[in-house]
Amino acid sequence: EAGVTQFPSHSVIEKGQTVTLRCDPISGHDNLYWYRRVMGKEIKFLLHFVKESKQDESGMPNNRFLAERTGGTYSTLKVQPAELEDSGVYFCASSQTNTQYFGPGTRLTVL
Amino acid sequence: AQRVTQPEKLLSVFKGAPVELKCNYSYSGSPELFWYVQYSRQRLQLLLRHISRESIKGFTADLNKGETSFHLKKPFAQEEDSAMYYCALSGTSYGKLTFGQGTILTVHP
Repeated sequence: EAGVTQFPSHSVIEKGQTVTLRCDPISGHDNLYWYRRVMGKEIKFLLHFVKESKQDESGMPNNRFLAERTGGTYSTLKVQPAELEDSGVYFCASSQTNTQYFGPGTRLTVL
Repeated sequence: AQRVTQPEKLLSVFKGAPVELKCNYSYSGSPELFWYVQYSRQRLQLLLRHISRESIKGFTADLNKGETSFHLKKPFAQEEDSAMYYCALSGTSYGKLTFGQGTILTVHP
């Protein structure tokens, strides 16, 4: 069974640019989560989808972040415009039970 | 508010020695507690959860509600146990995970 996949694995952009991260969950998993770990800090929750609906977006830092999950399959997380403090590793996870399976992460560097 | 604290950022032991990674939590209800592990160049993966009460790779963890702790233990550490370990809490079914800061375990030969 294919695990959670994320694209790209790395992204380096300049401040003010736009970046879109993609997550493909495990097939059949209704729950999809986004987390991020910024330098030196713990992994923090961003938001949770159930199918195509946002169940909990309490962790989204500000309106520069936009997450979508059209059709309830893959999800995208867009950062526009990117700021220096957005640098970090962005993780996606999916679940069908209460166990979350994580993707490899996307390392975002904003210069 | 839910909070997880892992007081040790780094932990070093020798092969064959016992190891304990500490985790304390703060949550007003009945949380579900997890330990996740990330080996070098691999993704974060579930090690164990308190509900299942199982032992994975020789690790166990007991939920102590009185002390609000969920320490991870292994009686005899192995070199392949070297990794980053995260304690995490979920307050609701299918809900978000709140992670601790992580502990880097190094097991020396």
